[in-house]
Amino acid sequence: GAGVSQTPSNKVTEKGKYVELRCDPISGHTALYWYRQSLGQGPEFLIYFQGTGAADDSGLPNDRFFAVRPEGSVSTLKIQRTERGDSAVYLCASSLMTSGGVQFFGPGTRLTVL
Amino acid sequence: GIQVEQSPPDLILQEGANSTLRCNFSDSVNNLQWFHQNPWGQLINLFYIPSGTKQNGRLSATTVATERYSLLYISSSQTTDSGVYFCAVGVTDSWGKFQFGAGTQVVVTP
Repeated sequence: GAGVSQTPSNKVTEKGKYVELRCDPISGHTALYWYRQSLGQGPEFLIYFQGTGAADDSGLPNDRFFAVRPEGSVSTLKIQRTERGDSAVYLCASSLMTSGGVQFFGPGTRLTVL
Repeated sequence: GIQVEQSPPDLILQEGANSTLRCNFSDSVNNLQWFHQNPWGQLINLFYIPSGTKQNGRLSATTVATERYSLLYISSSQTTDSGVYFCAVGVTDSWGKFQFGAGTQVVVTP
């Protein structure tokens, strides 16, 4: 597609449940990023992929969070045993390696944990 | 890690006014972008500007990397300029790992 897309746009779940958030990057972009944005704050880095491999996962808050990108395109962010503090907007971005890392963002998934 | 500070935190402008937003960062960077987050939450690229000056219509930006700051200028502001403006920087040892500032909330009144 023309831009980064994310699904679902909204997700409401109960504490303790498992959720998956999907990101489709811009076609041809080799790098993919996940961020989390809480209300009134700037986005916070979680992880980025170069191709299929996670190049830097230092922003993942704990081992309940995991992300994959098995074919170097679509990525899934997985959160186990969700907690109310996980509620936030999860943003995905992608970039071409050769463009100096200019990141283009998707519309985000708003996750609410009840 | 690198610290990114944006000022002012809030700005109220009359339509047609000019303004300057500032971004200070605590270490050398190899990547700097300015974004506009619209009221629907979409982050829109304004500038990729790790150094130098760029202009795009009524917006322009300048980064002085040696002094560790960047400025975003909005001229002849319009109500559609309302939203939050973020500065994000990337560092050499992990260029994909953007550190965002807390943003400047801009409200342009008619």
